[in-house]
Amino acid sequence: GAVVSQHPSRVICKSGTSVKIECRSLDFQATTMFWYRQFPKKSLMLMATSNEGSKATYEQGVEKDKFLINHASLTLSTLTVTSAHPEDSSFYICSAPGIDNQPQHFGDGTRLSIL
Amino acid sequence: DAKTTQPPSMDCAEGRAANLPCNHSTISGNEYVYWYRQIHSQGPQYIIHGLKNNETNEMASLIITEDRKSSTLILPHATLRDTAVYYCIVRGSGTYKYIFGTGTRLKVLA
Repeated sequence: GAVVSQHPSRVICKSGTSVKIECRSLDFQATTMFWYRQFPKKSLMLMATSNEGSKATYEQGVEKDKFLINHASLTLSTLTVTSAHPEDSSFYICSAPGIDNQPQHFGDGTRLSIL
Repeated sequence: DAKTTQPPSMDCAEGRAANLPCNHSTISGNEYVYWYRQIHSQGPQYIIHGLKNNETNEMASLIITEDRKSSTLILPHATLRDTAVYYCIVRGSGTYKYIFGTGTRLKVLA
């Protein structure tokens, strides 16, 4: 079964709205989670590393004020797309690392459409 | 930048083995190779990973060359449901981060 749960799976909203996406680790604790963005027919692009109890680490070129990340507990990380515009429409995916060299667990992704 | 390179696309006949290559010439001695696949509009699905020995599970086999600079994912009997984008990933030393390359778009033909 899924070990990382992502919600919602799809959201459609008006321009200017802020949208929150949740990523939960099931049955295990994750002090770190990752957020990716994916455009159609493109690969996954790492946006940021979410750290429990401290600030997220953003990859170069990712706007911190646009993509707010909060890692409030050992099982929950949230990504908020603030004042979303059509260009923010994309597929957002979260993941949690496995222990040591075990593979990452990915969520099913969130399709965000801004009208 | 991604530490792996893969061919952009491949076709395979249904029922035949699909062999997907990956180059990772800068891999370090303690870095694992991970394989995932992504079907349209879903999150990546883990397939297999390895360090230096060949690995096999219920989904696939992973063959890693002796010098560890390349590997091949083998789907022994490809089905139409194996049509997906396959990603080979080498995680950087000292980090859990994955940097995805472009992957290989595998199309299984009936």
